[in-house]
Amino acid sequence: EPEVTQTPSHQVTQMGQEVILRCVPISNHLYFYWYRQILGQKVEFLVSFYNNEISEKSEIFDDQFSVERPDGSNFTLKIRSTKLEDSAMYFCASRGVDSPLHFGNGTRLTVT
Amino acid sequence: QQQVKQSPQSLIVQKGGISIINCAYENTAFDYFPWYQQFPGKGPALLIAIRPDVSEKKEGRFTISFNKSAKQFSLHIMDSQPGDSATYFCAASSASGGSEKLVFGKGTKLTVNP
Repeated sequence: EPEVTQTPSHQVTQMGQEVILRCVPISNHLYFYWYRQILGQKVEFLVSFYNNEISEKSEIFDDQFSVERPDGSNFTLKIRSTKLEDSAMYFCASRGVDSPLHFGNGTRLTVT
Repeated sequence: QQQVKQSPQSLIVQKGGISIINCAYENTAFDYFPWYQQFPGKGPALLIAIRPDVSEKKEGRFTISFNKSAKQFSLHIMDSQPGDSATYFCAASSASGGSEKLVFGKGTKLTVNP
């Protein structure tokens, strides 16, 4: 069964540094998402992306965040200047036109 | 109004028992209600989903009951097994919002004792 693949599985960075989280969505999917989950809490929507542009973003997704689909397969989330409170699991997800949302296994981001 | 309220926060059930998790929502524009199962270190995986045109959907041991007038839906796990021990999230989305982003409940940690 096709999967959403995320790399790295764990990223440790210092406060103020830039990080890029990478995702390879399922190949025939058209809608792409980033969610995050702070340890022990619920999964929260960050941003959705369709047709090479952001279709919706949450209030969490401020100017420090950006997303990009640099080629036909990758979907990235960049945090320009990380803060301690950015520490969380970041999940990439994708779906087709009439298919449910599939999540990757996440990248654990630790900001020290 | 975007919240989905989930209860209980944790649940312990004996093997073979019935696990019941409840969710409530306010936004009447929600039209898709999935349940996700998450094991430690993994992403949420879709378990079962329902749309408001039906009141119940069953897939194997998992059943969603949906009450549109009460704006509530629940997950029933029949004959619960130790392998069902995981965190379960209810969620909701609206196609009218465009992106169909999911709004998640806070999760229920289910433990099934052998």
